Amino acid sequence: DTGVSQDPRHKITKRGQNVTFRCDPISEHNRLYWYRQTLGQGPEFLTYFQNEAQLEKSRLLSDRFSAERPKGSFSTLEIQRTEQGDSAMYLCASSFYSYNEQFFGPGTRLTVL
Amino acid sequence: KNEVEQSPQNLTAQEGEFITINCSYSVGISALHWLQQHPGGGIVSLFMLSSGKKKHGRLIATINIQEKHSSLHITASHPRDSAVYICAVSSGGSNYKLTFGKGTLLTVNP
Repeated sequence: DTGVSQDPRHKITKRGQNVTFRCDPISEHNRLYWYRQTLGQGPEFLTYFQNEAQLEKSRLLSDRFSAERPKGSFSTLEIQRTEQGDSAMYLCASSFYSYNEQFFGPGTRLTVL
Repeated sequence: KNEVEQSPQNLTAQEGEFITINCSYSVGISALHWLQQHPGGGIVSLFMLSSGKKKHGRLIATINIQEKHSSLHITASHPRDSAVYICAVSSGGSNYKLTFGKGTLLTVNP
């Protein structure tokens, strides 16, 4: 399978714990995006990378959130000290530079108890 | 007011009906995307367009740049078309990040 993959698909955690999600983009794609989607809403932009450089972060991304793409391939999104409001689907998408279409992974559904 | 507005929010149709979902946006865009999301989360890109009209099978997408409006049509709808349809725009610049509408939940009954 050469699509975008995300791991884990589901994560249940207790408030205050740290969680980390991984996204593996399509191999030749140099752009990688993270979005968050809450129930009944469309996704919202969180951050994006071009190769290993994080070029933009949304104001939605509080200082408890950090994202990395250390070698320009896979990316991780970490949430520290999770809160119930962090419960959402976290979506990753990738694209080829200068080509607009984004390919989405299946998402990681986070539930914070 | 959201930058991307979709209507209707919910749509129920009988199999075989012609379906239209509308999207209006308030910002300048480089492209408009129609996406499909099935229960469980996975999002699939249906169309990306910056002008005119595109057709793929029973799906047709149109855009009017002057009116900042796009429509997604489904001809001869089928229960397997049941999903959430999301309109999203990339608003220019070099980052191509997407701004999404809230989605339209389509249910097609047999």
